[in-house]
Amino acid sequence: GDSVTQMEGPVTLSEEAFLTINCTYTATGYPSLFWYVQYPGEGLQLLLKATKADDKGSNKGFEATYRKETTSFHLEKGSVQVSDSAVYFCALGSSNTGKLIFGQGTTLQVKP
Amino acid sequence: DTGVSQNPRHKITKRGQNVTFRCDPISEHNRLYWYRQTLGQGPEFLTYFQNEAQLEKSRLLSDRFSAERPKGSFSTLEIQRTEQGDSAMYLCASSLAVGPRVAFFGQGTRLTVV
Repeated sequence: GDSVTQMEGPVTLSEEAFLTINCTYTATGYPSLFWYVQYPGEGLQLLLKATKADDKGSNKGFEATYRKETTSFHLEKGSVQVSDSAVYFCALGSSNTGKLIFGQGTTLQVKP
Repeated sequence: DTGVSQNPRHKITKRGQNVTFRCDPISEHNRLYWYRQTLGQGPEFLTYFQNEAQLEKSRLLSDRFSAERPKGSFSTLEIQRTEQGDSAMYLCASSLAVGPRVAFFGQGTRLTVV
């Protein structure tokens, strides 16, 4: 069945460091791909999305490109801030039902 | 619109009791999803509705679980005869059935079974 695998955390970075969180997927059909973020004490928020191969999603300085050839959707940010500390979830969305399959989440801690 | 609303935010119950959670989706969204999230894991799909019709149920949804969405508006998730393994965060999300189909999540109901 469909699945999502994320790199294990926690990831600890210094402020202004470069961030990559790896995400790979297995899917049939043509899913959409998402990154959701969960800040401490808050609900899941959509960070960015891509709906087809080679699409690049971007928001708040974060980017991810839908790579069908490598079945990947890695999250990147050039310069992280303390306020980016959160749990990041990669998710695959069914094109028919909209059902989401999530990775296990990666905790990011950014130190000043 | 204030987004997806879930009530209660927290629920502590004794094993064997029944509990019911409510989700109010974004008003124009015709799809509504329930997920369960345990500590350190990503959310897992439970079930979803399009309008009032329940179109898919996960194998995770045992016969002690039932969900409804009367009139295609709010939804309820009931757990009967709760077990300690039911302790989790229960998340509701809603989306449109067409277009971007981006799911917006509520803040969840945290269930603790003691």
